[in-house]
Parts: sequence; structure tokens; C-alpha cells
Amino acid sequence: GQQLNQSPQSMFIQEGEDVSMNCTSSSIFNTWLWYKQDPGEGPVLLIALYKAGELTSNGRLTAQFGITRKDSFLNISASIPSDVGIYFCAGFRGNQFYFGTGTSLTVIP
Amino acid sequence: GAVVSQHPSRVICKSGTSVKIECRSLDFQATTMFWYRQFPKQSLMLMATSNEGSKATYEQGVEKDKFLINHASLTLSTLTVTSAHPEDSSFYICSARDPGRNTEAFFGQGTRLTVV
Repeated sequence: GQQLNQSPQSMFIQEGEDVSMNCTSSSIFNTWLWYKQDPGEGPVLLIALYKAGELTSNGRLTAQFGITRKDSFLNISASIPSDVGIYFCAGFRGNQFYFGTGTSLTVIP
Repeated sequence: GAVVSQHPSRVICKSGTSVKIECRSLDFQATTMFWYRQFPKQSLMLMATSNEGSKATYEQGVEKDKFLINHASLTLSTLTVTSAHPEDSSFYICSARDPGRNTEAFFGQGTRLTVV
């Protein structure tokens, strides 16, 4: 199935720094979702976005649904060691979820 | 709310045997469940979409006779890997849609299958 372009592929940052990652697609989506996956676990939903232009926060996380409906970004402010993991974006269209290629985040204490 | 439970979390089996993985929605009824396979450091690869009371829809290249999916109730879908081979070793994850939150998917904990 189609995969969304997600960048960066990996990030190594110092604790306390802010993080930004994004997802782009050649197709329009009705919903954008952001997930975090810890090693050996299933992805956990972080934020769901339903409208173009929507900006939503969940604690230190902020995500936006792009105006064109073809992209989304996720920001993490003041990173902490437990933010380590793989972050996936997902778009929903036509009863299907399409996943990004993932961003691996490493936070150095 | 919106909890999906997957069992077992780890399983080791011998080549040629079959393994069943269960996916349950604990606090909602899921008319649609999805089964994914994930290779190390890669994204989720959709294997099939499971609809309650009907046959699963398999993605291209996924052998339906090898990966049997049953969605007999609104809270349970099962994936059976038949005649397992070492190359079937992987991380399998299910997800379910909550009808109350139709465009969100919630994932099980995943199953690490090792075929020896």
C-alpha cells in the first residue's frame, strides 16, 4: 500500500531541545494521525487532526493538518528521555490508513 | 477508552506448525480490524482488512491461504499463520477502528513471532 513521505528518518537531539518532523503526500487525506511506537510495542495514538489548518496540542506535542490536506507536522517541545521512540504519521482516506515511513528519535540526556 | 488487546505478545513455533494470534477490542465494538506486519526499523505493512461477518480483504502479495483471518465477532479478530516458515518470523500488529471515532485506529501491543 501507499506510504507517506516522512522526514527526517532519524534524529539525535539533546534533552531539552525542540523536535520537528513532517509528513507529505501526493494525495489528499481527510484525517491525519500521529503515533509513537516504543520497541516491541504497538503504536500509540498521540494526536488526531480532522480539519485542514487545524492545530492541536497534547501536552508538549503540537501537530498541524496542512492547508492543502497533503501534509502534516508534529512538534515536540522541551524533549525528555522518554520521548525516545519511532514516530509515525498516518493519513486516513477511503476506509484505509496509510502510514509514514517513520522518524526514529533519540534523546541524549 | 479504545483499548485493543493482542495475544500472545511473543510466540516461538516450529517450522510447519500453525500459530494463532488474537486481537480484541476491549471497550468498543470494531466492525473493521487491520492486520499489519512490521520488519525491523521499518513502517507498518498492511496485510489485510478484516470485516466482521465477512471475508477479509487481503493486500496484493499476501497469501490468504497462509495468513487466515477470521473476524467472527465485533470484538475479536484472529490471524492464523499456517505452515509457518522461518521467513514468516516478524512482528505482527493488529488495529481496530472505533465507530465512535471513525477515523482513528487503535493498535494492539503486537506479537513477535519466531519460527525455528
